[in-house]
Amino acid sequence: SQQGEEDPQALSIQEGENATMNCSYKTSINNLQWYRQNSGRGLVHLILIRSNEREKHSGRLRVTLDTSKKSSSLLITASRAADTASYFCAPFIQGAQKLVFGQGTRLTINP
Amino acid sequence: GAVVSQHPSWVICKSGTSVKIECRSLDFQATTMFWYRQFPKQSLMLMATSNEGSKATYEQGVEKDKFLINHASLTLSTLTVTSAHPEDSSFYICSALAGGNYNEQFFGPGTRLTVL
Repeated sequence: SQQGEEDPQALSIQEGENATMNCSYKTSINNLQWYRQNSGRGLVHLILIRSNEREKHSGRLRVTLDTSKKSSSLLITASRAADTASYFCAPFIQGAQKLVFGQGTRLTINP
Repeated sequence: GAVVSQHPSWVICKSGTSVKIECRSLDFQATTMFWYRQFPKQSLMLMATSNEGSKATYEQGVEKDKFLINHASLTLSTLTVTSAHPEDSSFYICSALAGGNYNEQFFGPGTRLTVL
């Protein structure tokens, strides 16, 4: 079964606005990773946050992790049309040694 | 960064035939590779974990006799969809771990399988 649940399932915003996507998971993790996928294409690794980290930045991306709530968020600031894609969180399950993907958020940036 | 390739990138076959998909780590050795399946507008579902030199570990609900996985070398894993049917049409994606480091998982570009 899927370990990551994402919210919202779809998000449509204007270019320049910030986009926030949330992810919840069920079990203990080693780390949590965020990926982007353009329609019909492969995955692009965005950022990895370890279980002992609370926040991480990479360019316009900001990821938070709250292990007590088993949740993470991805913030994309100053969105661009090129950010239009599906975004997936993938908790790395402790002990099981595997990534399991959430349902994803389909983000649309309107020019 | 590490590169993972898949071949073919797309394939169309007739119902009842078998299709083999290759996953290669081009510039690193991968003792562990993973196979995922993705239906349109859905998430990636882990099918199996492929370990070099040993049998693959399949996720619950995945038929091991239908989805044959072979990981014969440190740079190649293959997924064979046997007796394919239209419901097997999907996007198949592999990933590989670099150096056994579970923080470094690299994904292939995917293979789109269409079964007529």
